[in-house]
Amino acid sequence: QSALTQPASVSGSPGQSITISCTGTSSDVGGYNYVSWYQQHPGKAPKLMIYDVSNRPSGVSNRFSGSKSGNTASLTISGLQAEDEADYYCSSYTSSSTLGVFGAGTKVTVL
Amino acid sequence: EVQLVESGGGLVKPGGSLRLSCAASGFTFSSYSMNWVRQAPGKGLEWVSSITSSSYIYYADSVKGRFTISRDNAKNSLYLQMNSLRAEDTAVYYCALCMLGTCYYYMDVWGKGTTVTVSS
Repeated sequence: QSALTQPASVSGSPGQSITISCTGTSSDVGGYNYVSWYQQHPGKAPKLMIYDVSNRPSGVSNRFSGSKSGNTASLTISGLQAEDEADYYCSSYTSSSTLGVFGAGTKVTVL
Repeated sequence: EVQLVESGGGLVKPGGSLRLSCAASGFTFSSYSMNWVRQAPGKGLEWVSSITSSSYIYYADSVKGRFTISRDNAKNSLYLQMNSLRAEDTAVYYCALCMLGTCYYYMDVWGKGTTVTVSS
């Protein structure tokens, strides 16, 4: 069982906005601003989309945004496109481990 | 261009050993912490081990005592020695690092991965 809880799947139509939640505890998501998000297409390596809760690496579309409230972090994809169909993983620092923890992943489907 | 290339994966019997390698290029390898992350078939990501630029080492509880991470800065290479392998170690193993921002528990550069299958 993953330390961080994500919905198994989220779907939306092209052009819509969707939000993926990532729920942890005060020992990880809620206690630190060290939440990151990854996109993974089938058979490919993960790609960093958001770091430190809301920062976007150079080259990542501004349609992707991150936020946090209490023990829950969120990734919002606006203007959903077919290429956004992928698995998304959240990750966080945790005080209970010397390594980061990942969520179980959310499959995003573009209808 | 920053590049990470993993190798050494394959099929091994339960209880066996395997050594993974990660060849790094395009950056000053010795200056960065390096990580191994794995993904079991159809499953999510799991952080396996990290080694800092000063060679401080960290392991996930699931591999502690069985896996050993090391680095050779002269060869720009990262290694993962895996002993006493179990079926649940079957996964794609990624080499990854952070070169961006605070680098607090995230990675922005990933290799393509190498597949380890533990089966009799």
